[in-house]
Amino acid sequence: QQPVQSPQAVILREGEDAVINCSSSKALYSVHWYRQKHGEAPVFLMILLKGGEQKGHEKISASFNEKKQQSSLYLTASQLSYSGTYFCGTERFADKLIFGTGTRLQVFP
Amino acid sequence: DAGVIQSPRHEVTEMGQEVTLRCKPISGHNSLFWYRQTMMRGLELLIYFNNNVPIDDSGMPEDRFSAKMPNASFSTLKIQPSEPRDSAVYFCASRPGTSDTDTQYFGPGTRLTVL
Repeated sequence: QQPVQSPQAVILREGEDAVINCSSSKALYSVHWYRQKHGEAPVFLMILLKGGEQKGHEKISASFNEKKQQSSLYLTASQLSYSGTYFCGTERFADKLIFGTGTRLQVFP
Repeated sequence: DAGVIQSPRHEVTEMGQEVTLRCKPISGHNSLFWYRQTMMRGLELLIYFNNNVPIDDSGMPEDRFSAKMPNASFSTLKIQPSEPRDSAVYFCASRPGTSDTDTQYFGPGTRLTVL
């Protein structure tokens, strides 16, 4: 039931782009993306509801393909502050989030 | 507005001792969640409450774990007796309701070490 994220880790230079994927074996109602920095709590980035809607947050955007039960997080022109572990949280119904395995992102100068 | 509050922030205890973790959700939020995070297992949902009622406790590892929510502003997660494998960061999160755009807001976590 836990969604699978890929890749497990990404290393970038400032200004480079990255894509993080989240896949589920079950039909989804929504996908929530969070970023967690070391030693801190996960922080909410954005939510996507079924319908293929794409959302954006600064230079971070995401899409949700409900037919494929897959969501992708796009980070463009990465900044040092983007470093952290990214989690997708999936919902089958509007009740609880099950979090993915996480993708560790490191951005270097 | 104050966020989700958890206490203690750090807890070190010996195997066999009882441990109680506390959480105060954001005022007005109807749902409360307890998660456990470890390197090996990631972020696991243990239990969640809706309007103070436990809805799903399927993630609670075993009978040593119990959770309560006596009122809308307070919840506890208790481990009795504790074991070294319980060492983890425990997060509490709250959510406003069941609207389409609602999401969960996490507390700072309690780092538990069982020796």
